[in-house]
Amino acid sequence: DAKTTQPPSMDCAEGRAANLPCNHSTISGNEYVYWYRQIHSQGPQYIIHGLKNNETNEMASLIITEDRKSSTLILPHATLRDTAVYYCIVRGDNYGQNFVFGPGTRLSVLP
Amino acid sequence: AAGVIQSPRHLIKEKRETATLKCYPIPRHDTVYWYQQGPGQDPQFLISFYEKMQSDKGSIPDRFSAQQFSDYHSELNMSSLELGDSALYFCASRLSDTEAFFGQGTRLTVV
Repeated sequence: DAKTTQPPSMDCAEGRAANLPCNHSTISGNEYVYWYRQIHSQGPQYIIHGLKNNETNEMASLIITEDRKSSTLILPHATLRDTAVYYCIVRGDNYGQNFVFGPGTRLSVLP
Repeated sequence: AAGVIQSPRHLIKEKRETATLKCYPIPRHDTVYWYQQGPGQDPQFLISFYEKMQSDKGSIPDRFSAQQFSDYHSELNMSSLELGDSALYFCASRLSDTEAFFGQGTRLTVV
């Protein structure tokens, strides 16, 4: 069963911020929100993850709502190389639990 | 930094043949995952290992088997290959409760 819901596609102008939403209304207290992206047939690339606090790294920012039922991945200055499928994944902290890739968002960065 | 290494990168097999895909995780990572991605599809979880023991199992056909060896590398063995097995196969590794890093995949073509 899909734990997350994302829009199937989005466009963003080069140089602008890309804001990718994700709904995870059934998230449990010990489940993290992970974001990965896949650039055409390459291996999925880790972007960022968080539990309840907002997170930022060199690639992106993750904003998680206070009720944890949704989150937004922000690419502050999108480039053409950011064109990819972005996956929002909810995962618990059990060692063996896998990452479930559901339908992600195909982000197209336009020149 | 060392990444997840998969070999071979490309493999062509005939129907009913067998194939072995290899995965070398990032050093000191204790968990390995295998995923299958068919054309136009999202990555689908097959199987995972934690400390050389199978930890989770997904939609892996009975014709497939996998194991993790004492040096932590893993192999996915595929027998009686079918045309529908043509796909990208990704391996990922992680250390305990951290993010997973994916290899660049093996493209298997069954003819």
